[in-house]
Amino acid sequence: AQTVTQSQPEMSVQEAETVTLSCTYDTSESNYYLFWYKQPPSRQMILVIRQEAYKQQNATENRFSVNFQKAAKSFSLKISDSQLGDTAMYFCAFMKLIGTASKLTFGTGTRLQVTL
Amino acid sequence: NAGVMQNPRHLVRRRGQEARLRCSPMKGHSHVYWYRQLPEEGLKFMVYLQKENIIDESGMPKERFSAEFPKEGPSILRIQQVVRGDSAAYFCASSPEWDIYGYTFGSGTRLTVV
Repeated sequence: AQTVTQSQPEMSVQEAETVTLSCTYDTSESNYYLFWYKQPPSRQMILVIRQEAYKQQNATENRFSVNFQKAAKSFSLKISDSQLGDTAMYFCAFMKLIGTASKLTFGTGTRLQVTL
Repeated sequence: NAGVMQNPRHLVRRRGQEARLRCSPMKGHSHVYWYRQLPEEGLKFMVYLQKENIIDESGMPKERFSAEFPKEGPSILRIQQVVRGDSAAYFCASSPEWDIYGYTFGSGTRLTVV
C-alpha cells in the first residue's frame, strides 16, 4: 500500500516570503501522479499543482512550484511571494491508476499561516 | 457547469439514527469517489463507484456503511446506526473516464453525531 508523509504539522511565513512544504511517499509503482491540494477554512479541496511521475521536469503553476525527486520519493511544494490568501491546510496526495480508477492517498497535512 | 454538488452541507444526527449523504457529480462525469476526513486529519478513501457498480470499496467500514450510484440520480453514502466516531467531514469527488485531471471535489458534508 502507498503511504504519504508530511512531517511538518504547522508552518508560518511572512507575507511576500517563500516557504517550502515537505512531502515524502512510499510506493513500489513506477507510474503514478502526485498532487498538492489546498483546503482553506471553507473546507473546499482546491487543486494547487500536479506532477506526473514519468516527467522529469518539475511542475510550475504561477507562484507554486514543486521539487520532485523520484529516486528519493520526495515531492515538496514551494510557495513564492506568499499572500494572506495562501493561509490554509495543504495536503500532499498520491494517485495510482488502476485501469480507469484513480483513488487518492493523502498525507496528514501541513497548516500554513501567512502573517503580515 | 455547477461542479460537484453535495448536500446537506451540515447534518446532525443522534446516536443510532441513519445518515444519508448525497453527491451529484459534474455533468459528464461517470466516476464517483467518497472520502472521509476526521478532525485534524487528511482525507481517507472510502469507496469508488461507477453507474450502478461499486468498483473499489476497500476503504469502507465493513458494517453500517453502504454506498450506491444509481442509473438515475445522485450517489448516496448511507451510514446506519451512527455513533459518535462517525462524526467527520465526508467528501465526494467525481471524474470523467480516462481523465484524472478532471478529478473535482465537492464542498463536503459535515456530519455531527450527538
